Amino acid sequence: SAVISQKPSRDICQRGTSLTIQCQVDSQVTMMFWYRQQPGQSLTLIATANQGSEATYESGFVIDKFPISRPNLTFSTLTVSNLSPEDSSIYLCSVEDRSRGGAQHFGDGTRLSIL
Amino acid sequence: TQLLEQSPQFLSIQEGENLTVYCNSSSVFSSLQWYRQEPGEGPVLLVTVVTGGEVKKLKRLTFQFGDARKDSSLHITAAQTGDTGLYLCAASNTNAGKSTFGDGTTLTVKP
Repeated sequence: SAVISQKPSRDICQRGTSLTIQCQVDSQVTMMFWYRQQPGQSLTLIATANQGSEATYESGFVIDKFPISRPNLTFSTLTVSNLSPEDSSIYLCSVEDRSRGGAQHFGDGTRLSIL
Repeated sequence: TQLLEQSPQFLSIQEGENLTVYCNSSSVFSSLQWYRQEPGEGPVLLVTVVTGGEVKKLKRLTFQFGDARKDSSLHITAAQTGDTGLYLCAASNTNAGKSTFGDGTTLTVKP
C-alpha cells in the first residue's frame, strides 16, 4: 500500500495568513484527495487533485480559499488562505487504492489552529 | 448526494464486552470500507467488502456487507482497550474515485 508523508503535522497560525500543506506519496497515483476533519468527527472532502488539470472542488469549497497544486504524480499541496478561527481543523490527504476496491490510504494529517 | 448513516455515534463499554457498529444507506455501492482512526493519525483501512452478503473476519472483528450492498456492520468480540478509536465506514462506486464517509463511531473501551 502507498505510504503518504504529510507536513507539517501541526501548526498555529495568525488570522489572515495562509498555510500550505504538503503531501508526498511513495508511488505514482492518478488522483489525490484533500479532506477536512473536526476532531472526533467524520471527513469532509474538499477537493480532488488530478495531475495536469485543475482540482475539482466539492460544494462549499472554492479555489480562492483552498488553492491546490498537483505538479506531478507523487506530490500535491493544499493552501488554506486568509485564515480565520473557523479554519481550525485537521486536514488530511489521501490516495485511492484501486486494488482494494477504492479504499484510500491517508497521511497522518495536519492539525491547524488559528489564533 | 449519497449519505452513510453510522450508529451509534458514541459507544463506551468495558473490556471483554461485545459490540456492533452499523453503517446504513439508501444507495447501492460497489464497495464499502471500514477504517479505524486514532488521535494524531490518519484513518487506517481495516477491510473492504464488495460482494452482497459478504462476511470478512479480522481476528476479533467481523465485517458484513448487506445482501443489497446498502449497509454494513462491524462486530467486535471481547473488546480490548486497544480497540479504542474512531471507526469510520466509507463507500464508493467503481471508477468514481472519491469515497463517501459515514459520521463515525467513537468507541471507548474501559479497562
